[in-house]
Amino acid sequence: NAGVTQTPKFRVLKTGQSMTLLCAQDMNHEYMYWYRQDPGMGLRLIHYSVGEGTTAKGEVPDGYNVSRLKKQNFLLGLESAAPSQTSVYFCASRLATDTQYFGPGTRLTVL
Amino acid sequence: KQEVTQIPAALSVPEGENLVLNCSFTDSAIYNLQWFRQDPGKGLTSLLLIQSSQREQTSGRLNASLDKSSGRSTLYIAASQPGDSATYLCAVDYGGSQGNLIFGKGTKLSVKP
Repeated sequence: NAGVTQTPKFRVLKTGQSMTLLCAQDMNHEYMYWYRQDPGMGLRLIHYSVGEGTTAKGEVPDGYNVSRLKKQNFLLGLESAAPSQTSVYFCASRLATDTQYFGPGTRLTVL
Repeated sequence: KQEVTQIPAALSVPEGENLVLNCSFTDSAIYNLQWFRQDPGKGLTSLLLIQSSQREQTSGRLNASLDKSSGRSTLYIAASQPGDSATYLCAVDYGGSQGNLIFGKGTKLSVKP
């Protein structure tokens, strides 16, 4: 039982490049979330999903897209990376009323 | 706007001290509240979850209390150890269709040997 895993762990992009962050969970959780963590800002919700095939916007969705084609995977895409998207990205999953389980994070730097 | 505030932002104590971390939230209609631990460069580990109907939860040397009416929670750490050094995050779940957490900015704890 690996819990929540994130790929990649680190990435450096140039402005305008695109990339996809992968989150996978093996706990059969319905809910999945993408957060970003920035110094002095805490964790903020980017997008979330309440089940396979569904996605919705969170607090800071601009510049990101997501997909949940399979229940166990939640993908976060950056179509045209900007320096303001330099951050640590965390994925989390949960059952309906349980605690949230977090992945180890992806450190992204956009130059 | 639903906001979560943690005070202090940083705390340094000598080993063996008992300490209290504070969390306050603006909207008292919470579903549950969680305390997490985050080590440098790592993800978040859930420490304690308190349902809205509960007053406190305990795990080993950790005790978390919840006072919904005053919009406050505290995390009590007994007999602190250098291994307790980390950032502690408070997060509130307001329920609803999103089920996401509203996070405080954390308290960075340093326990000196």
